[in-house]
Amino acid sequence: GQQVMQIPQYQHVQEGEDFTTYCNSSTTLSNIQWYKQRPGGHPVFLIQLVKSGEVKKQKRLTFQFGEAKKNSSLHITATQTTDVGTYFCAGFRGSTLGRLYFGRGTQLTVWP
Amino acid sequence: DTAVSQTPKYLVTQMGNDKSIKCEQNLGHDTMYWYKQDSKKFLKIMFSYNNKELIINETVPNRFSPKSPDKAHLNLHINSLELGDSAVYFCASSQGVGGRSVGGYTFGSGTRLTVV
Repeated sequence: GQQVMQIPQYQHVQEGEDFTTYCNSSTTLSNIQWYKQRPGGHPVFLIQLVKSGEVKKQKRLTFQFGEAKKNSSLHITATQTTDVGTYFCAGFRGSTLGRLYFGRGTQLTVWP
Repeated sequence: DTAVSQTPKYLVTQMGNDKSIKCEQNLGHDTMYWYKQDSKKFLKIMFSYNNKELIINETVPNRFSPKSPDKAHLNLHINSLELGDSAVYFCASSQGVGGRSVGGYTFGSGTRLTVV
């Protein structure tokens, strides 16, 4: 079954609005990774979070890892049309021999 | 130089045919993967090789057979293609396995397979 749940599946925003996507796991994760896939493109690695409660920023993107290491979020401030794409989280459970479980992704559309 | 390159980019073929997709990485990574992405964008792991050794073999029909001649190459051969095999197939590589990978996965640009 699906190991990592990600919501929402779709998000449409006006340029300048904020955007958040959420990832949840029923089990504790060793770490979580985030990827972005532009339309017609391939997933590109953005960041990895390892520590409980960790927060990392990349310009307008803020990534959080929950205290219990079961959830994570990606927040984009003041979206731009260049943010369009699908954002995936991918969780790793140390006991599963290298399996990185991808969420189903959130497809972000930004209207100018 | 493309870090992870896969060929062909597009593949249109008839049901029942056999086809191969090739992947090469020049990053010096020790682990390579095949992922299948369906029309709803879901990324599903198929296979993973670490230093030429198969370490992940998900529930995939045995019509799919991966081969890793060396740690820089991972090919995927598909026999008796079916309509349901239509998808985008991504090759990826990483240094370290799965979630222990340093710097995440580097994906190729994908092979869009259409079975008619």
